Amino acid sequence: GGIITQTPKFLIGQEGQKLTLKCQQNFNHDTMYWYRQDSGKGLRLIYYSITENDLQKGDLSEGYDASREKKSSFSLTVTSAQKNEMAVFLCASSPDRASDYTFGSGTRLLVI
Amino acid sequence: GNSVTQMQGQVTLSEEEFLFINCTYSTTGYPTLFWYVQYPGEGPQLLLKVTTANNKGSSRGFEATYDKGTTSFHLQKASVQESDSAVYYCVLGGPNYNVLYFGSGTKLTVEP
Repeated sequence: GGIITQTPKFLIGQEGQKLTLKCQQNFNHDTMYWYRQDSGKGLRLIYYSITENDLQKGDLSEGYDASREKKSSFSLTVTSAQKNEMAVFLCASSPDRASDYTFGSGTRLLVI
Repeated sequence: GNSVTQMQGQVTLSEEEFLFINCTYSTTGYPTLFWYVQYPGEGPQLLLKVTTANNKGSSRGFEATYDKGTTSFHLQKASVQESDSAVYYCVLGGPNYNVLYFGSGTKLTVEP
């Protein structure tokens, strides 16, 4: 079976800092996603990518950049961390848009 | 637009009690509907899914029925166990959608 690996598991940043989160999958899935999870708000889509070098914005893309340089990896950058921000960022992949997703275990972000 | 509503933010039950989690959706088409479950420290994982071809799905004792008339997809389980404690997400997607749309989640706590 395959796995999705997110690094780092925990990330503490400072206000205004640029922070990068990484995601790797070995399923050979075409599509990858970044979601943000806040308590009581469910999962909100930040970016997704249907193939290498493709990027599509989700509802929450402002304040973030993404990069899909290889089929197996998808990175997310917080362009300027906001003070007191606390959230979990979840990466997922799927073979195509009609299929269900496999998620990583998340990166927990805290900005001080 | 596409949206999923879960009104119950938290549900607390005792072991062997009946579980019912409410979910309604709004969309213009006939989506595939999913329930995902998330355990602490992990990403969400697929619990069950139902397409327009079949009205009911089940997995691990959980059942959900797709009701196009009331646009609902409630989750039920006859007898919960402590190990069922988790967050449950109702999700909308399928071949005509680019991404999955998540509800806000229902946190289930089962007390021994």
